[in-house]
Amino acid sequence: DAGVTQTPRHEVAEKGQTIILKCEPVSGHNDLFWYRQTKIQGLELLSYFRSKSLMEDGGAFKDRFKAEMLNSSFSTLKIQPTEPKDSAVYLCASSRPGVAWEQFFGPGTRLTVL
Amino acid sequence: GDSVTQTEGLVTLTEGLPVMLNCTYQTIYSNPFLFWYVQHLNESPRLLLKSFTDNKRTEHQGFHATLHKSSSSFHLQKSSAQLSDSALYYCALSDRGSALGRLHFGAGTQLIVIP
Repeated sequence: DAGVTQTPRHEVAEKGQTIILKCEPVSGHNDLFWYRQTKIQGLELLSYFRSKSLMEDGGAFKDRFKAEMLNSSFSTLKIQPTEPKDSAVYLCASSRPGVAWEQFFGPGTRLTVL
Repeated sequence: GDSVTQTEGLVTLTEGLPVMLNCTYQTIYSNPFLFWYVQHLNESPRLLLKSFTDNKRTEHQGFHATLHKSSSSFHLQKSSAQLSDSALYYCALSDRGSALGRLHFGAGTQLIVIP
């Protein structure tokens, strides 16, 4: 089975641009998570979906960050407009409670905002 | 709210010495699920250990941890550190028990093992 896939792997954006990151969860997983990872803050939850319904939206990230699940096998994270402080690794993870109590992480997208 | 505390940001050890990374948690849920994730350089986090049972030792790849509800702790241990253990370790808590849901991650402990 394929793991979590994320595209692009690297993204460079100018301040003020709109960028869209993509994630495909493991097939059959109904929980999907978006995280931001930095050395200083560690792993921060941006959004959490269960069966395509938004369960949690990271409070500090609501204004410029918007995650969507277009269907059960595809999710996007839009950052609009980007700021230099958004430079980080964005990780997508999925899980299927009751089958395996584990979140599987994708390879991440490294975003640099100039 | 639920939270996880990892007191050490950085641990540096000589190869062969024992490893102990601290993890304590806070939750109102009486049946927390605790996890350790490991992240090697240029990789993504992956599950190392998990535990749902009070006072039961769980082991994987030479590491072990025991969930102690009385002290709200889930420390990670290994008897002898190897160079390949150098990585970032996250302790995490599920506040929904078997329904898993979101995980509350600690700040992470960077383990560096030197020869």
